[in-house]
Order: sequence, then C-alpha cells, then structure tokens
Amino acid sequence: DAKTTQPPSMDCAEGRAANLPCNHSTISGNEYVYWYRQIHSQGPQYIIHGLKNNETNEMASLIITEDRKSSTLILPHATLRDTAVYYCIVGGYGQNFVFGPGTRLSVLP
Amino acid sequence: EPEVTQTPSHQVTQMGQEVILRCVPISNHLYFYWYRQILGQKVEFLVSFYNNEISEKSEIFDDQFSVERPDGSNFTLKIRSTKLEDSAMYFCASRAGTGAGNTIYFGEGSWLTVV
Repeated sequence: DAKTTQPPSMDCAEGRAANLPCNHSTISGNEYVYWYRQIHSQGPQYIIHGLKNNETNEMASLIITEDRKSSTLILPHATLRDTAVYYCIVGGYGQNFVFGPGTRLSVLP
Repeated sequence: EPEVTQTPSHQVTQMGQEVILRCVPISNHLYFYWYRQILGQKVEFLVSFYNNEISEKSEIFDDQFSVERPDGSNFTLKIRSTKLEDSAMYFCASRAGTGAGNTIYFGEGSWLTVV
C-alpha cells in the first residue's frame, strides 16, 4: 500500500499557484518524498524529490514540513497543460515506488 | 535528455497468444522495472530486475509473466497465454541505483489490448 495520502481532486485557476498537499506521517528518516505526474495515460513524469530541505527546480517547488510528516508541491503559475494526476511517493533505499490514486488537478481557464 | 523508450506503443492480441513488450532503459541505469495500469486504475508495480535477475515481484507477476535482458540494451516483458484482464498500459522504468535519492524514470508505455 502507498505510504501517502492525497486529496482525490483539486481545481486551480490558470496562472495561479497550484498547491498540492501530501501526508506521509509514517515516513522514516532515510526515505525521500518524490512527486510525479501523469497526463492522460502517458508514463509518469518525474517532477521533483526531497529529503528534508525545500527543493526547487524548473518545474516546481517542494516544501517539506520540519517533522517531515507532510509536504506540498507548488506549481507557481499553473497552465492548462499542468492538468494531470499528481502522485506523491515515499521511497527509500532499495524500495520500489508504490503509487496511490494521486490528486487529479484540473487547471481551469 | 535521456529517456526510456518502449515498443510497441499499442498492440492488439488474441486471447491465449503470447506477447513481448520491449523497452530500452536509460543507458547507464542498472535497475529496471515493469509497472502496469489498467484503464481508470492506479499504477501497479509488477517486477524489478537487477544484475540479470528478478529482485522483487508483486502478486500480479505470476508464472504467466517473465522478464529478460537479452542483450546490453533491451529489457523485455513476456506475457504468455494472454487473458482479457491483461489489457492495460504497461510501463517500463529504469533507475541508476537504489540509493534513496535516485529517481525512477518511466517510459511512455505500451498499451496492450487483449480481445
């Protein structure tokens, strides 16, 4: 079973920031938080990952709480092309990634 | 940017036939995976492969399935005697290492339809 819980769906206005939450209260010290997204039935696309510090790349920012029990993926200026299912995954050394149902983000014009 | 490539993108097969799905992982990666996604459902882990042997498999990956790395570049999933319920998108993935910071990269998938 997935070690994370996410809201099943969210809406966001185009051009606004999309903030996608994820709870991972049982995360252990050496496990990372990974975010992927899946547009239609395409392959899951890697977005970002982090251990405990906040991370930013060209796609998104990842904010991890100090106790590491939850995180937020931020898409700073959502576009229609960001409409997808977003998956938050917790994984550590030697662990395979287990997908939950994710959050279906709809970016609205 | 290096990517995982999969062929075919779509295959239709008769029930009971054998199917081979092919994947070319990212060239310097050592760990390989197959996942599947039945239409409308979540992405499910099937099998992981390292050093020419299976390292982990799920309950889904029964004797009907097999994986192989026949040469230095390809990684295949064989499904023997396909069933209607094998209809799904199959994703190949690869990873440089299993250190906690290593990311798994997925291909675009092979859509299998069993009729």
